[in-house]
Amino acid sequence: KNEVEQSPQNLTAQEGEFITINCSYSVGISALHWLQQHPGGGIVSLFMLSSGKKKHGRLIATINIQEKHSSLHITASHPRDSAVYICAVPGYNNNDMRFGAGTRLTVKP
Amino acid sequence: EAGVAQSPRYKIIEKRQSVAFWCNPISGHATLYWYQQILGQGPKLLIQFQNNGVVDDSQLPKDRFSAERLKGVDSTLKIQPAKLEDSAVYLCASSFAAGGQGEQFFGPGTRLTVL
Repeated sequence: KNEVEQSPQNLTAQEGEFITINCSYSVGISALHWLQQHPGGGIVSLFMLSSGKKKHGRLIATINIQEKHSSLHITASHPRDSAVYICAVPGYNNNDMRFGAGTRLTVKP
Repeated sequence: EAGVAQSPRYKIIEKRQSVAFWCNPISGHATLYWYQQILGQGPKLLIQFQNNGVVDDSQLPKDRFSAERLKGVDSTLKIQPAKLEDSAVYLCASSFAAGGQGEQFFGPGTRLTVL
């Protein structure tokens, strides 16, 4: 079983729709990261959170430590949100991060 | 603030050839990571440096991959000889804090194609 599981793998939405991407993890953590990767390959950190909820613009990230689950929401989605969204958690020895396989989001105009 | 720099951005080589990638982390970041990302998968850690020392290289295929960070700043990752399955994006990241607690900043990556 992968340490970090994301769903769905692929997601296609119409512009303006509300998007939810889910992440479940099996290890105990102190912080979870949400990353965005555009087709060119570069990765940008969106959120690092350890409890509750964080909001940045149209992006909202929530985490439930007890259930080992996090969600990334995008409100009023736009074609420029099209990217791969990756969930990551610290590894067992806390030295590095373990990454989910990513969710490929395509937002159509 | 300048981000993490990587070069080259793209590289195409034939199998059994050698290739080297370069990374310049954000100034002041002691921790540097090299990741391999195969198409359709999440990044996989190859090696982690803390200053110029190796913290974790358990997933680095040491028979063909090597990495160094001699002065604790820039780093190079080398593959010698390359195999077809090495085709991937190689990402460099750096963080101020050690460990998975700190936010990591990623470079643009080097896309390697092995023919």
